[in-house]
Amino acid sequence: AQSVTQPDIHITVSEGASLELRCNYSYGATPYLFWYVQSPGQGLQLLLKYFSGDTLVQGIKGFEAEFKRSQSSFNLRKPSVHWSDAAEYFCAVGAPNNAGNMLTFGGGTRLMVKP
Amino acid sequence: DAGVIQSPRHEVTEMGQEVTLRCKPISGHNSLFWYRQTMMRGLELLIYFNNNVPIDDSGMPEDRFSAKMPNASFSTLKIQPSEPRDSAVYFCASSSGPGQGAIEQYFGPGTRLTVT
Repeated sequence: AQSVTQPDIHITVSEGASLELRCNYSYGATPYLFWYVQSPGQGLQLLLKYFSGDTLVQGIKGFEAEFKRSQSSFNLRKPSVHWSDAAEYFCAVGAPNNAGNMLTFGGGTRLMVKP
Repeated sequence: DAGVIQSPRHEVTEMGQEVTLRCKPISGHNSLFWYRQTMMRGLELLIYFNNNVPIDDSGMPEDRFSAKMPNASFSTLKIQPSEPRDSAVYFCASSSGPGQGAIEQYFGPGTRLTVT
């Protein structure tokens, strides 16, 4: 079974600074990988996804993530954070050929942005 | 598309009462998921359906919880009787899967349940 670890529960960055949120997964092959964002009082919104091919994927709101097989990681990055990026971010893993379509979610990282 | 629709958005009830949460998935989606989110336990998968059939309900906490999907456009999650520890935000999500391009899930806005 797959699992996902987001080592950082909370992260605080200054507005305009760069951001990297860590995600590590455990799975026997290359999984499908996702990042979701949850703003306060909202549901989860898909930021980006990786299935195969180019290991650097672009998403919405200026986010990108890089799949590194050797490190079993899929870290989320943004070069310059805006105050509106303050939210909780979830990494998720799906198994190819999983007939059930289940995703396994990490525990989330809460991002705070200082003015 | 209107996205995943959940109702009600907020529910306050007294312990022992029956609670029914409702979900309308995105039209054409074949899979539907119910999650519960709390500060203590994070996001938990309760149950999911493929083509209206329950596939895995191992996340349902106990017999007080039940879920149905009578057709492709409607699902309910019922708690009877409700307890204060059931207080949480309940999310419904749907996906068009299975398949590589269809596995991502789209979430509704959630129902915030408070049991007093």
